[in-house]
Amino acid sequence: AQSVTQLDSQVPVFEEAPVELRCNYSSSVSVYLFWYVQYPNQGLQLLLKYLSGSTLVESINGFEAEFNKSQTSFHLRKPSVHISDTAEYFCAVTHSNDYKLSFGAGTTVTVRA
Amino acid sequence: DAGITQSPRHKVTETGTPVTLRCHQTENHRYMYWYRQDPGHGLRLIHYSYGVKDTDKGEVSDGYSVSRSKTEDFLLTLESATSSQTSVYFCAISNAGTASTGELFFGEGSRLTVL
Repeated sequence: AQSVTQLDSQVPVFEEAPVELRCNYSSSVSVYLFWYVQYPNQGLQLLLKYLSGSTLVESINGFEAEFNKSQTSFHLRKPSVHISDTAEYFCAVTHSNDYKLSFGAGTTVTVRA
Repeated sequence: DAGITQSPRHKVTETGTPVTLRCHQTENHRYMYWYRQDPGHGLRLIHYSYGVKDTDKGEVSDGYSVSRSKTEDFLLTLESATSSQTSVYFCAISNAGTASTGELFFGEGSRLTVL
């Protein structure tokens, strides 16, 4: 079984400042890792994912995450946030023989001008 | 956007009454899921389906049942609603190719309040 821990429940940040959202996972097998984003009053949508290969993955809107196997982490970063990045972010994990995702508790990012 | 429709979007009911939430997809995806979202818990899987009439339990299945009689519809039923089932319920879908790679497409959610 796998589980996901998101270490911060709320992250306030000023516009154009950097942000890091921390995610740690536990699993006994090889994992696939994901970040999903939920904008207010919407469903979740995939932000980025790590399946294999390069440990640094990027999204189209400037987010990046790095898979660190030794630290069992998949932290999400953005060097300069916008007001529109205000949302809740969920880390999730699964593995190759499964088709169910396990989600973390979520991190709410609030960007202020 | 993936064609996923949840109904009703909002419902208020009383303890002990039955409730059915419907998820309808137009993508012909094989896998369908019901999650509940609660503050501090993220999303927790209630039930999922891997084909017509093929369903299985998730981590918080007690008090819920599901049915999938055709590819496009996945119903979630609360036989006798309790206040602890007040939540936002999300349906998600994925196709066979992406099911093992984690890309789920979510509906907009159904907010259920049990008084």
